[in-house]
Amino acid sequence: AQTVTQSQPEMSVQEAETVTLSCTYDTSESDYYLFWYKQPPSRQMILVIRQEAYKQQNATENRFSVNFQKAAKSFSLKISDSQLGDAAMYFCAYRRMEGSNYQLIWGAGTKLIIKP
Amino acid sequence: NAGVTQTPKFRILKIGQSMTLQCTQDMNHNYMYWYRQDPGMGLKLIYYSVGAGITDKGEVPNGYNVSRSTTEDFPLRLELAAPSQTSVYFCASWGRDSYEQYFGPGTRLTVT
Repeated sequence: AQTVTQSQPEMSVQEAETVTLSCTYDTSESDYYLFWYKQPPSRQMILVIRQEAYKQQNATENRFSVNFQKAAKSFSLKISDSQLGDAAMYFCAYRRMEGSNYQLIWGAGTKLIIKP
Repeated sequence: NAGVTQTPKFRILKIGQSMTLQCTQDMNHNYMYWYRQDPGMGLKLIYYSVGAGITDKGEVPNGYNVSRSTTEDFPLRLELAAPSQTSVYFCASWGRDSYEQYFGPGTRLTVT
């Protein structure tokens, strides 16, 4: 069975600096999707970025980028120029490419604190 | 386009009471999900549905029931509420051609 591990329960960063959140996963599949979701204090779950495993290029969305290492089964999220609005829980998630009824396997989350 | 809506936003139940959490999506998504999120924790899947009339258990189904009579609605029923069911409940949906799983705003439930 697939598992997702986020080893950092909490991270803090100075405003305007860069922070990297770690995620590792375990799977025997070769094709799959990986996601980072953000949950601010409002509790709303917001998709930050998505990566397809068959794509060599790391996904990027403005200040958010990933370092996807397929062989190492690692999927870290880099946030550049951190802003106060980035403070939130960040969840890493995995989904098989086909089947599995589109279920997501979730990590336990990392709480990101931004210091002004 | 409202996306995924959930009602109520907050609810306090006494032990042994029952209630239904409502979830509706207007994106014609086949797949719908119910999660619970305990304080400081990640999401745990309670039940899911792959289409009208089809539901299945997730990781933590005990104490809950669901039904899916239409594509749009996926209510979650709590029978005989217990303090262990105090949590935030999220409904989500996913269409075959969707890029992501869409979430409702959540329902904060307290059982005392």
